Amino acid sequence: GDSVTQMEGPVTLSEEAFLTINCTYTATGYPSLFWYVQYPGEGLQLLLKATKADDKGSNKGFEATYRKETTSFHLEKGSVQVSDSAVYFCALSEIHGQNFVFGPGTRLSVLP
Amino acid sequence: DTGVSQDPRHKITKRGQNVTFRCDPISEHNRLYWYRQTLGQGPEFLTYFQNEAQLEKSRLLSDRFSAERPKGSFSTLEIQRTEQGDSAMYLCASSLYGEDNEQFFGPGTRLTVL
Repeated sequence: GDSVTQMEGPVTLSEEAFLTINCTYTATGYPSLFWYVQYPGEGLQLLLKATKADDKGSNKGFEATYRKETTSFHLEKGSVQVSDSAVYFCALSEIHGQNFVFGPGTRLSVLP
Repeated sequence: DTGVSQDPRHKITKRGQNVTFRCDPISEHNRLYWYRQTLGQGPEFLTYFQNEAQLEKSRLLSDRFSAERPKGSFSTLEIQRTEQGDSAMYLCASSLYGEDNEQFFGPGTRLTVL
């Protein structure tokens, strides 16, 4: 079945450091790919998405590019802030509007 | 607030008791999803509805679990004869079919079974 693998956390960075969180997936078709973020005490929020190969999703300084050849969707940010501390989930949706398959999440802590 | 809401936010129960959770989706959304999230893991799909029809159920949804969406608006998830292994966060999400799969999540109901 479909699956999503993320780099294990926790990831601890200093403010203004460069962030990469790796995500790879296994799917039988051509899924849409997503990054969700969960801030402490809050629900999951969509961070960015990409629906086809080579698409780049971006939001709030975060970016991720849909790489079909490597089945990856790595999340990057050039300069993290303390407010980016959260748990980040990579997810895929195989069929339009169907359920998501989530990765286990990566906890990010940014220190001032 | 026009987001997805869930009630209660926390539920503590004894093993063997029945519990019911409610989810109110974003009003114009026709799809509603239930997920379960355990500590340190990502959400796992349980079931989803399009309007009032339950279109898919995960193998995770044992016979003790039942979900309804009687009028195509709010949904309930009932767990009968709860077990300690049912302790988790239960998440609800909604989406508008035809809109590139974006699901909007509620804050979740945290269930603790003693």
